[in-house]
Amino acid sequence: DGGITQSPKYLFRKEGQNVTLSCEQNLNHDAMYWYRQDPGQGLRLIYYSQIVNDFQKGDIAEGYSVSREKKESFPLTVTSAQKNPTAFYLCASNDQGSSYNSPLHFGNGTRLTVT
Amino acid sequence: SQQGEEDPQALSIQEGENATMNCSYKTSINNLQWYRQNSGRGLVHLILIRSNEREKHSGRLRVTLDTSKKSSSLLITASRAADTASYFCATLHAGGTSYGKLTFGQGTILTVHP
Repeated sequence: DGGITQSPKYLFRKEGQNVTLSCEQNLNHDAMYWYRQDPGQGLRLIYYSQIVNDFQKGDIAEGYSVSREKKESFPLTVTSAQKNPTAFYLCASNDQGSSYNSPLHFGNGTRLTVT
Repeated sequence: SQQGEEDPQALSIQEGENATMNCSYKTSINNLQWYRQNSGRGLVHLILIRSNEREKHSGRLRVTLDTSKKSSSLLITASRAADTASYFCATLHAGGTSYGKLTFGQGTILTVHP
């Protein structure tokens, strides 16, 4: 079955360490996205990529970095510069190249806890 | 910045009752989408309504859109305990540099009691 796989489901890190969250999709979607969700909040866009080797900052990109070397993969690195990294991170993709009206498909998230 | 504002923040009903959630937004949109999220999981797309549409149905779901009031509502009829989840509206900005970017509201937590 096609879908988006995020790993790991839970991640624990010490303050000051960089950490990379994995996101892989086999939906053949061109566009991929990273969102952050804090308790009781909606989703905020961190980075998005519409095509391989290209990506743009979202609303809260500071302290994060991404790469898009393959269509299927869009890893997110949470750097030590991110002041409040503890959150639930969601990866999504869609077939945005075809129309504005392509809904997002989400992975099941990675819950990152930094102490 | 978050464009969608949802109301109520939480809704508790009995099985069989209808549930209505509202979403308001600030600027012109291309489309509005509703998503569902079970606790600790990713979001699942429910329904998309375009700016030139007023109403859409999908099974027990009915979505309306009033662009003059910049608001939308999601109605779940004959609710079931399995409908318990958080529901989010998301808006796609009309044009500009926000191509393909959805802006999510803070969500409505729906609890359906058996």
